[in-house]
Amino acid sequence: QVQLVQSGAEVKKPGASVEISCKASGYQFIAYGIHWVRQAPGQRLELMGWINPDNGATKMSPQFEGRVSISSDTSATASYLKVTGLRSGDTAVYYCARTSGPVAGHFDTWGQGTLVAVSS
Amino acid sequence: QSVLTQPPSASGTPGQRVTISCSGSSLNIGHNNVQWYRHLPGTAPKLLIYNNIQRPSGVPDRFSASKSGTSASLAISGLQSEDEADYYCVSWDDSLYGPVLGGGTTLTVL
Repeated sequence: QVQLVQSGAEVKKPGASVEISCKASGYQFIAYGIHWVRQAPGQRLELMGWINPDNGATKMSPQFEGRVSISSDTSATASYLKVTGLRSGDTAVYYCARTSGPVAGHFDTWGQGTLVAVSS
Repeated sequence: QSVLTQPPSASGTPGQRVTISCSGSSLNIGHNNVQWYRHLPGTAPKLLIYNNIQRPSGVPDRFSASKSGTSASLAISGLQSEDEADYYCVSWDDSLYGPVLGGGTTLTVL
């Protein structure tokens, strides 16, 4: 079945970087986009950006440009979210989600979420 | 500040019908499909509605949605205690070339 499995929880110090993986299975990886979403404690969901695994095209939401990058590895059928210069406000649960199309569409499958805690 | 505007909260009693609105612009809702998600913090969001009005298999018909112009709404009838959650609308934005999210509505069942 279609599945997205994310890497485990991370604890990082301020200023460090973190990379979260999202391993896809059960479908043709390059045919569907992957989006990243996060939720900080007590806050609403935030859309971070997306990648088209077929051609590697990416787009970050404006508030995440500069510190966040998204990549994919078609041989590993995985997408990666990297956040640099971590600060306490980046403490959140991060989700990857598959879209119903290469870029746009609805999020029909979600990863289980990865908790990233930023603390000195 | 979210691109799509939702009321921050909504409430109803068991059995009641509640609606949640989502307002956007011609760059997003007015030109593209709307989706609705239910989210309980700490769990993955769940797709409730896609393509403005379509329900994925497994979503009860108590959940319905509509779209008109640059606004959309989600209706939940026969309200149940387990419907307590945060609800989000999403649409594609032609200017940002990416999806945009409503601020979310916390539904309380009184």
